[in-house]
Amino acid sequence: EAGVTQFPSHSVIEKGQTVTLRCDPISGHDNLYWYRRVMGKEIKFLLHFVKESKQDESGMPNNRFLAERTGGTYSTLKVQPAELEDSGVYFCASSQDPPITADGYTFGSGTRLTVV
Amino acid sequence: AQKITQTQPGMFVQEKEAVTLDCTYDTSDPSYGLFWYKQPSSGEMIFLIYQGSYDQQNATEGRYSLNFQKARKSANLVISASQLGDSAMYFCAMREGLGLGANNLFFGTGTRLTVIP
Repeated sequence: EAGVTQFPSHSVIEKGQTVTLRCDPISGHDNLYWYRRVMGKEIKFLLHFVKESKQDESGMPNNRFLAERTGGTYSTLKVQPAELEDSGVYFCASSQDPPITADGYTFGSGTRLTVV
Repeated sequence: AQKITQTQPGMFVQEKEAVTLDCTYDTSDPSYGLFWYKQPSSGEMIFLIYQGSYDQQNATEGRYSLNFQKARKSANLVISASQLGDSAMYFCAMREGLGLGANNLFFGTGTRLTVIP
């Protein structure tokens, strides 16, 4: 079974530019989550999709961030325009509903975003 | 208030020794799950161990065990017989609620473990 895949693995962009991160969850997982870790801080929840619907987007920092999950498959997270404080590692995870086993959340390897 | 607190930014342990990584949590929900993840330098988040709030016994998975002290709201990870490959970041996380509507995870700031040969 393929795991959660994230593209790109690294991205360096200038302040003011746009970046789009992509996450391909495990096939059949209705739940998809985005998290972010800013250097030295905790991993913070951004939002949660159930299929194509946003279940919870309370962690989205501001309206420069736009997440979509068209067709309930892969998801994109766009940052426009990017600011310096957006730098960090963006993780995606997927799960069934509910995570029927203790290890039911599967994480991707993350996208390291650096805004200069 | 922080839901997950990891007070040890970095820990060192001698190879083959045991090490305890601390984690305390804060929730008013009687139903919750506690997780530990390992993040090696390659970046992926690897699930290690899980403890449900109603589990009577401490969880164990191979060399990993979770010292669950419910009254103190602590869920420390114990790694026995440390190996060089255990060097990584370790994150404690919590999910509030155990039913349908899979809730998101709350994470701590992580502990960087270094195993010394």
